[in-house]
Amino acid sequence: DSGVTQTPKHLITATGQRVTLRCSPRSGDLSVYWYQQSLDQGLQFLIQYYNGEERAKGNILERFSAQQFPDLHSELNLSSLELGDSALYFCASSVAGGAGHSPLHFGNGTRLTVT
Amino acid sequence: DAKTTQPPSMDCAEGRAANLPCNHSTISGNEYVYWYRQIHSQGPQYIIHGLKNNETNEMASLIITEDRKSSTLILPHATLRDTAVYYCIVRVNTGNQFYFGTGTSLTVIP
Repeated sequence: DSGVTQTPKHLITATGQRVTLRCSPRSGDLSVYWYQQSLDQGLQFLIQYYNGEERAKGNILERFSAQQFPDLHSELNLSSLELGDSALYFCASSVAGGAGHSPLHFGNGTRLTVT
Repeated sequence: DAKTTQPPSMDCAEGRAANLPCNHSTISGNEYVYWYRQIHSQGPQYIIHGLKNNETNEMASLIITEDRKSSTLILPHATLRDTAVYYCIVRVNTGNQFYFGTGTSLTVIP
């Protein structure tokens, strides 16, 4: 158990809808990262937050947004969903936010299916 | 964006050592090498990381060459539960991001 909690585990929704994925980082970790993994694809970095502030952006679509709250949990909002958004969405956390070498610890993901 | 090269697949007999190679010829002096594995759509699991010295923990050993251009992850006694995709990652210091490549699919054979 990595200590990173993601909910829900599974989500099925229709095209055009909006969903929110939730992540609770490990106790003491200040950084949260979101990754997307489509079928047979690698893990794509989406966005990172550190102590409530956006720290880095990757291949995140404009239809997607995220935030990190004062209690350090994070939410990833996906809107105007398309079939191609069906994927596993992983959250990871780490102690540090910038320089340093603390590893990321991943949750077990949310499987999103858009029909 | 991945800065590492790994063989796409490998087999290993159960009980033998699994040696997974990784090339990172453009690594910078202060960049660490990390290894993760992903078992069948579960979240990636952290294994080990290092800078220049060899590292060992309860899961594996990491051997980094002196010029730091390549490394090898060693699972000393592979079991069937070690069947997974193994990712070698060089951390990009600016932005603190981890970029995952395609990894090595390791199959442990009974």
